[in-house]
Amino acid sequence: DIQLTQSPSFLSASVGDRVTITCRASQGIGNFLAWYQQKPGKAPKLLIYGASTLQSGVPSRFSGSGSGTEFTLTLSSLQPEDFATYYCLHLNTYPCTFGQGTKLEIK
Amino acid sequence: QVQLLESGGGVVQPGGSLRLSCAASGFTFSSYGMHWVRQAPGKGLEWVAFIRNGETNKYYADSVKGRFTISRDNSKNTLYLQMNSLRAEDTAVYYCAKQYLRRIDHWGQGTLVTVSS
Repeated sequence: DIQLTQSPSFLSASVGDRVTITCRASQGIGNFLAWYQQKPGKAPKLLIYGASTLQSGVPSRFSGSGSGTEFTLTLSSLQPEDFATYYCLHLNTYPCTFGQGTKLEIK
Repeated sequence: QVQLLESGGGVVQPGGSLRLSCAASGFTFSSYGMHWVRQAPGKGLEWVAFIRNGETNKYYADSVKGRFTISRDNSKNTLYLQMNSLRAEDTAVYYCAKQYLRRIDHWGQGTLVTVSS
């Protein structure tokens, strides 16, 4: 099974900062990686799919890159509503797996 | 718009069974694969199971294989998760989710399953 290792687990940042979250796959998954944002008590929300394609309606300050085994999610110029937990998910093969999550907190 | 509404959660004793349902609307249900994903209290997301649109191909996480069964009734636009031999570690919010190409693009709001004596 393919494992996803997401880092860091916790990230403290300020409004206006640029932050990057990394997701590493235990074997190549092409570009079959998606990123999700989850706020407490809510369902996850799709941000990025195909490693780098922005989902419709998602602000352009979110961007994704990578292929194969290493992927990044970048948030440029953090806004107050961006403080949440972020997950990567691969759908290359089954079973699918999520990264363990990155909690982004206000400094 | 796409709507996914889970139901069937509740409190069940260890070793018991429960069947979750997910009523879908706003899209052609029979054309899309569907997932169940769960989240234990205070923990991360865990993928549970997937069923293709044609009902024939099903996949499971190792943690639930042999105990859970995913199924669908395309005539009723409904997804199911039959959960048997439940354990305390199955306690979680269970989400149904729609797949579009190689991504999960819509999620329900979840239903809580608590396994406790």
